[in-house]
Amino acid sequence: NAGVMQNPRHLVRRRGQEARLRCSPMKGHSHVYWYRQLPEEGLKFMVYLQKENIIDESGMPKERFSAEFPKEGPSILRIQQVVRGDSAAYFCASSPADRDVTLHFGNGTRLTVT
Amino acid sequence: GDSVTQMEGPVTLSEEAFLTINCTYTATGYPSLFWYVQYPGEGLQLLLKATKADDKGSNKGFEATYRKETTSFHLEKGSVQVSDSAVYFCALEGGGADGLTFGKGTHLIIQP
Repeated sequence: NAGVMQNPRHLVRRRGQEARLRCSPMKGHSHVYWYRQLPEEGLKFMVYLQKENIIDESGMPKERFSAEFPKEGPSILRIQQVVRGDSAAYFCASSPADRDVTLHFGNGTRLTVT
Repeated sequence: GDSVTQMEGPVTLSEEAFLTINCTYTATGYPSLFWYVQYPGEGLQLLLKATKADDKGSNKGFEATYRKETTSFHLEKGSVQVSDSAVYFCALEGGGADGLTFGKGTHLIIQP
């Protein structure tokens, strides 16, 4: 039973490029959360999605960041025109149902902007 | 809003020492409380949880008791091992749509 799969594990982008981070939730899970972890910081909530719906994006920067979770395929976190401050570890977590906060985390994508 | 405060690290102990990592929270209502552990290069794994006051969560020798009167959920282990070296995150779920609110994490280093 595969856990939450994130890819790539490491992503290097130059300033101004786009970064796409993918997350496949655990089998049977239809809810996905994205978190960002900056050095020496805890995890900060970014966005909560169900299939084809954004439930809560209150933690996501208003510009350059977007997320989707289509009916088929993984959830995608997209960062356009990356800047150095976007360098962080981005974690995806999934849960089987709404309000079920026993989250299962992926191993994260470490984004480095040069 | 909801917040979680945990003791700053790194915390360095010798093998077989007693461990306490403090965690206090601020939340409206009665949140569920969690401890997650992150080993190097990996994602977070749920260590234990408690969903109501006076509940005790336990797993792998770790324990934490939900104390409503002191709004605390301190993590304890009687005898730590080198393999316990990791970053530990305290978290709460307050019933909103945004999942968990995490503390900043405490880096634990166990020396042989």
